[in-house]
Formats: sequence, structure tokens, C-alpha cells
Amino acid sequence: AQTVTQSQPEMSVQEAETVTLSCTYDTSENNYYLFWYKQPPSRQMILVIRQEAYKQQNATENRFSVNFQKAAKSFSLKISDSQLGDTAMYFCASPGGGADGLTFGKGTHLIIQP
Amino acid sequence: DGGITQSPKYLFRKEGQNVTLSCEQNLNHDAMYWYRQDPGQGLRLIYYSQIVNDFQKGDIAEGYSVSREKKESFPLTVTSAQKNPTAFYLCASSIGGGFGTDTQYFGPGTRLTVL
Repeated sequence: AQTVTQSQPEMSVQEAETVTLSCTYDTSENNYYLFWYKQPPSRQMILVIRQEAYKQQNATENRFSVNFQKAAKSFSLKISDSQLGDTAMYFCASPGGGADGLTFGKGTHLIIQP
Repeated sequence: DGGITQSPKYLFRKEGQNVTLSCEQNLNHDAMYWYRQDPGQGLRLIYYSQIVNDFQKGDIAEGYSVSREKKESFPLTVTSAQKNPTAFYLCASSIGGGFGTDTQYFGPGTRLTVL
């Protein structure tokens, strides 16, 4: 079975600080995307950023960037200049192997303190 | 206004009853998915469909059934055979042709509680 591991159940930082959420994955796919989703208290899953595995350049979306290490199967999310609205659960996801769904980690609860 | 809608937002079921959760999308996506989320857990795949009139079991399909008669709609039925159905259910869709390179977009979810 494919696995995604998020080793930080909860993190707390001050507003405007930079924070990094870690993720390791295990997929048998050769060409794949990796994803970070945000789930605020409303519980809507929102796509934050995605990384195409065949691209060496790390993806960036405004304050959000990734550090993708393909050989190590590591895919961390960096949030710069954190804001109160960033408080949420963050889930890392990778392809689910035989199924076309995604395999999700258990999530990191990120709290931004004022 | 394109998107994915799920209804109802909250659903209560008595033990032994079947209930159906609705999922509709107007994104013209071929693929649709159902996930279950339990407290402190990530999402787990129940069923997915890459095309109309075809669907596949995911990791936890037992006690659930689906249909895909229209491209826009992918309803999920939680049957009485599902022993622990209380959970948050999320529907997603993607363009299709996935195999690891498809981006999924999610609806707002349905919270199912068994009384």
C-alpha cells in the first residue's frame, strides 16, 4: 500500500514567521504530481500547491513553496510571512498506486498565533 | 459559477437505514471520487469513476455503493452494511486520464451521523 507520512501532528508559530511542514511519501508511479491541501475549520479541502515530479524546479505560489527531494521522496511545504488565515489542517497527498485516487497523510494542524 | 456541490451539509441516519449523499459538478470533469474522513485522520478513498457508467472500488468500499449515470453526478449510498458510517464525506472531481498526474478539486463535504 502507498503511504504518506506527516511527522508533525501540530505546529504553532507567530504571525509573520516562516514555517515548514514535512511530508514523505512512497509511490510506485514514474510520472506523478504531489499536492498540499489546506482544510480550514469549514472543512473544505483547498488546493494550496502542486509539484510535478519530473520538474526539478520547486513549485511556488505566492507565500507558499515546496522543497521537493525526489530521491528521498520528501515533499515539504514552506509558508513565508504566515498569516492568521493560514491556521488550518494541512494534508500532503500523493498518487494512490493502483487506484486513481490520492493517498493522504494524517495532516498537520498549523496554528498561527497573533 | 463552476464548482462541486454536495448535499446535504449535515445528515442524520438511524441504524439499519440506507442514505444517499449527493455530489454534482459543473466543471465538465470526467473523473469523480468519494473520500471518507475520520477525526485525526487523512482522507481514505471509497469509490472513484473515470467515465460515465463505470466506477471502481477504492480502499474502503465495503458497505458503500455508487452510480454514475450522468457525467455531472456521482451519488454515494451508505448502506446498513457499513458498520461505522459516522464520518465526514468528501466528493472530488478531476479532468481525468489521471494515473498520478491529475489534480482533484473538492466539494464542501457532508457530515453523516448515525443515531
